[in-house]
Amino acid sequence: KQEVTQIPAALSVPEGENLVLNCSFTDSAIYNLQWFRQDPGKGLTSLLLIQSSQREQTSGRLNASLDKSSGRSTLYIAASQPGDSATYLCAVRRPETSGSRLTFGEGTQLTVNP
Amino acid sequence: DTGVSQNPRHKITKRGQNVTFRCDPISEHNRLYWYRQTLGQGPEFLTYFQNEAQLEKSRLLSDRFSAERPKGSFSTLEIQRTEQGDSAMYLCASSLTAGQGTLCTFGSGTRLTVV
Repeated sequence: KQEVTQIPAALSVPEGENLVLNCSFTDSAIYNLQWFRQDPGKGLTSLLLIQSSQREQTSGRLNASLDKSSGRSTLYIAASQPGDSATYLCAVRRPETSGSRLTFGEGTQLTVNP
Repeated sequence: DTGVSQNPRHKITKRGQNVTFRCDPISEHNRLYWYRQTLGQGPEFLTYFQNEAQLEKSRLLSDRFSAERPKGSFSTLEIQRTEQGDSAMYLCASSLTAGQGTLCTFGSGTRLTVV
């Protein structure tokens, strides 16, 4: 059974700081990995998707890496801003032959202080 | 296309009542998923459809829960005889089947409160 863990559970940083969020998964047979952002009481917004054959993806100030063999992904946020405050969730997608559900971690709650 | 749409946004119901939620996926997406999220947790998979066929159901989906996607477009999730433990955010997502680069796109969710 796939299990996804995110560390830390919560993080508070001053504005402008660079930060790293961690995600680990127990079964390396994944199809892809997605990072999402969730604002309080809202749905999920997709940030980045890394295919299982890729090592990293970048979008603006965000960079996500994937080390499938060790079961790890990191989300790097550069020059954090108060608007980045939200919960960040990583999710791994099972291979097509095993169904295609996403398995989520519990998220990292990020607070960026002005 | 405005993305995945879910209605209603909020639902308050009395214990024992039945509720139904609707999800309209992105129009060209043939896969549709339902997830449930409780406070402080990540979303948990409930079920998914490919076109109109329900291909997988989680053990979380008790016999009080039923989902349909009759014409392969919108989907409904019904909860019968609601219990306080059903209080959660119910999220719908859709995607295409092809390719590792296929994004799973989520709606804004329906927040259910059972009183």
